[in-house]
Amino acid sequence: GNSVTQMEGPVTLSEEAFLTINCTYTATGYPSLFWYVQYPGEGLQLLLKATKADDKGSNKGFEATYRKETTSFHLEKGSVQVSDSAVYFCALSERNNAGNMLTFGGGTRLMVKP
Amino acid sequence: DTAVSQTPKYLVTQMGNDKSIKCEQNLGHDTMYWYKQDSKKFLKIMFSYNNKELIINETVPNRFSPKSPDKAHLNLHINSLELGDSAVYFCASSQLRDTDTQYFGPGTRLTVL
Repeated sequence: GNSVTQMEGPVTLSEEAFLTINCTYTATGYPSLFWYVQYPGEGLQLLLKATKADDKGSNKGFEATYRKETTSFHLEKGSVQVSDSAVYFCALSERNNAGNMLTFGGGTRLMVKP
Repeated sequence: DTAVSQTPKYLVTQMGNDKSIKCEQNLGHDTMYWYKQDSKKFLKIMFSYNNKELIINETVPNRFSPKSPDKAHLNLHINSLELGDSAVYFCASSQLRDTDTQYFGPGTRLTVL
């Protein structure tokens, strides 16, 4: 079956530091890949996505590149802010008989200190 | 203006009780979902409905019964609550043609005592 593995958190950084959150996946076909973000007390929001190999998704200064050869989709940001503190979920989507289904990783908590 | 709303936000109840969580979306989507997020933040899909019909039913006890009275609503009823049901339950919605992009509600934190 499909699975997504993320680095365990929490990740604690100072403001303006460089962020990398690792994500690798296992899938039988050619999934789409996503990063969702969950701010404290809120539901998940789509942050960015990539639908095929070598695509780069980007939004709000975050970016991730779909690497088929390493089955990875690492999230990066050059300079984090306190407001980026949240839980980040890597996910994949693959079509099955029931339609597309999202499979999420376990989430990585990011804490940014001023 | 709330896109996906859930009620209640918090639910504290005793073991053995029956409870419901309601979800409504005003995005005009035709597909809705229920997810369970455990204490370690692991998120797992439970059900998916398209146009009021069940299309995904993961391995969930029969005590959980979703009901979709119309496309904009997907409620979750739980019978005989157990301690292990304590979690945050998220409702989400999307268009069937774009199930990759799901919009999530704020969650309902269920605590079973």
